[in-house]
Amino acid sequence: NAGVTQTPKFRVLKTGQSMTLLCAQDMNHEYMYWYRQDPGMGLRLIHYSVGEGTTAKGEVPDGYNVSRLKKQNFLLGLESAAPSQTSVYFCASRLDSNNEQFFGPGTRLTVL
Amino acid sequence: DAKTTQPTSMDCAEGRAANLPCNHSTISGNEYVYWYRQIHSQGPQYIIHGLKNNETNEMASLIITEDRKSSTLILPHATLRDTAVYYCIVRAPLMMDSSYKLIFGSGTRLLVRP
Repeated sequence: NAGVTQTPKFRVLKTGQSMTLLCAQDMNHEYMYWYRQDPGMGLRLIHYSVGEGTTAKGEVPDGYNVSRLKKQNFLLGLESAAPSQTSVYFCASRLDSNNEQFFGPGTRLTVL
Repeated sequence: DAKTTQPTSMDCAEGRAANLPCNHSTISGNEYVYWYRQIHSQGPQYIIHGLKNNETNEMASLIITEDRKSSTLILPHATLRDTAVYYCIVRAPLMMDSSYKLIFGSGTRLLVRP
């Protein structure tokens, strides 16, 4: 049982490039979330999913897209990266009847 | 979700109890109080949560005042590994918010001194 894993761990992009961050969980959780964390700040919710095939916007969704084609995976896409998207990205998942969110180790993204 | 207020930073000596306060004066009757912590460069880790009664688990105790406007997280015997940022979060129950999403503030940076 690996819990929540994120790929890649680190990435450097140039402005305008695109990329996809992968989050995977092997706990059969219904709910999955993407957060970003800027230096010295708390986490802010980007998008979330309450089940396979569903997605919804969080606090800061602009510039990002997500997909949940399989229950165990939640993808975060940046179509045209901007320096303002330099951040650490955390994925989390939760059982539908459990109040605890499990977080992944994070992806550190730098956009030059 | 109700706004929370926490001190920016605190410190305590190793082996002593760490008491981390949180104010949530606008909390409504069906909102839960959650605590998470984030050790440097890692993802947040769940600690404990409660509604009205005090709660205890293997990590910590949560004391919620009778009027529910504030709470205290207690780490009974702090160790160096407890140095982290601690987040107090107030969250609506399922009936109000089916996403279960958490809204993080800036938290309290706890430093445990040797």
